[in-house]
This record gives sequence, structure tokens and C-alpha cells, in this order.
Amino acid sequence: GQNIDQPTEMTATEGAIVQINCTYQTSGFNGLFWYQQHAGEAPTFLSYNVLDGLEEKGRFSSFLSRSKGYSYLLLKELQMKDSASYLCAVNNQGGKLIFGQGTELSVKP
Amino acid sequence: DAGITQSPRHKVTETGTPVTLRCHQTENHRYMYWYRQDPGHGLRLIHYSYGVKDTDKGEVSDGYSVSRSKTEDFLLTLESATSSQTSVYFCAISEGREAEAFFGQGTRLTVV
Repeated sequence: GQNIDQPTEMTATEGAIVQINCTYQTSGFNGLFWYQQHAGEAPTFLSYNVLDGLEEKGRFSSFLSRSKGYSYLLLKELQMKDSASYLCAVNNQGGKLIFGQGTELSVKP
Repeated sequence: DAGITQSPRHKVTETGTPVTLRCHQTENHRYMYWYRQDPGHGLRLIHYSYGVKDTDKGEVSDGYSVSRSKTEDFLLTLESATSSQTSVYFCAISEGREAEAFFGQGTRLTVV
């Protein structure tokens, strides 16, 4: 079967750093994606990892460990506009793009 | 922005009626996906396509069918709508398995 787990909710303070974890078990692996989704809007792409290690893009970084089936998204210097849902997704061997339930992040002043 | 449009954007229909949602792209991307999004469930894959006339089931395909007769259009059909199919439906497109997916703006479907 396929399973992607991430925490349902997280709260953090403006200016802080937050790490959102994602664990996965899938049949095949073509890469792991992170998306951001603001309420009432469509998801938008944040990052992609296919090899182990850290990918950095501005205030956002994403890490992957394929042997552990684990990834995290790191958000630095949090801003109020970062309040959103963060979605972890895996593209498996067959080309299916499967999402976790999403983590609702609330950034407080 | 990626050229992907969904139609209609909103629809209210009665239980037992057929409904077709359309996803149209101008990017010539190979992969197209249909998801539904419900509170507490995230995005769940209904069906996807990896080429013209090539489709496969996702996690929640019961009660749904799809067709892709040309690259740019991916149709999702609810043969006989039920209240449990009330949801927000998103279409997505992607160049390949290792490429990011771009999402349409969603269709809010209400079955009464």
C-alpha cells in the first residue's frame, strides 16, 4: 500500500524557524514534492527532492532520506503570509502523484 | 502561470444526475491528474492520465470515470452523482514524473 504521513497542525511564531516532517511508504519512488496551499486557493509548488540531502531555495529548504522514507520542509524567518497548508507528495513508480493530508501551519505574531 | 483551466468553477447538481468536469491545458504536458479535496483528507487522487487514451485509477476512483481523447483535455465524469461526491475537485498537469505539477483553480461541486 501507499502511505504518506505528516502532522495535521503546527503553530509557530513570526520570525522563527519551523520544520514540517513527512514520512512515506510507497510502491516505487520518483521524487518527493512539497506544495503550499493557502485557504481557498490551488496548491503551488515549493520544492522537489529525488536524491538524499538538502535542497535550499531562499527561506525554504527541503530534506530527503530515501532509506528512512523521510523528508522535512524547513521554513526560516517565518512571516504571517506563511500561514497555509503544506502538502507532502510522492510520485511513485507508476507516475501517480500521491499526497499526504497536509499540515496546517499557523504563524502567530 | 501554467495554462490550465477547469470548467465549470462551481456547480450544484442533484443526486443521480451525470456530471462532467473539464480540465484543459495549453502546455502540452503528458501527465494530467484529477483530485478531490475534502476537510481532513487532503488531496486524494481519483484518476490520472499518462498520455492520450492512457489512464489509470487513483486512490478513490469508485463512482468516477475519465477520458482523454486529446492531449489538452482530461474529462472527469460522475455517472450518477451522490452527496458523498460533494467536494472541491482539482486538476493538475505535469511534464513528467520528476517534474512539478501545476494545478487548476478548482471546481466546487455540490450534490444535493
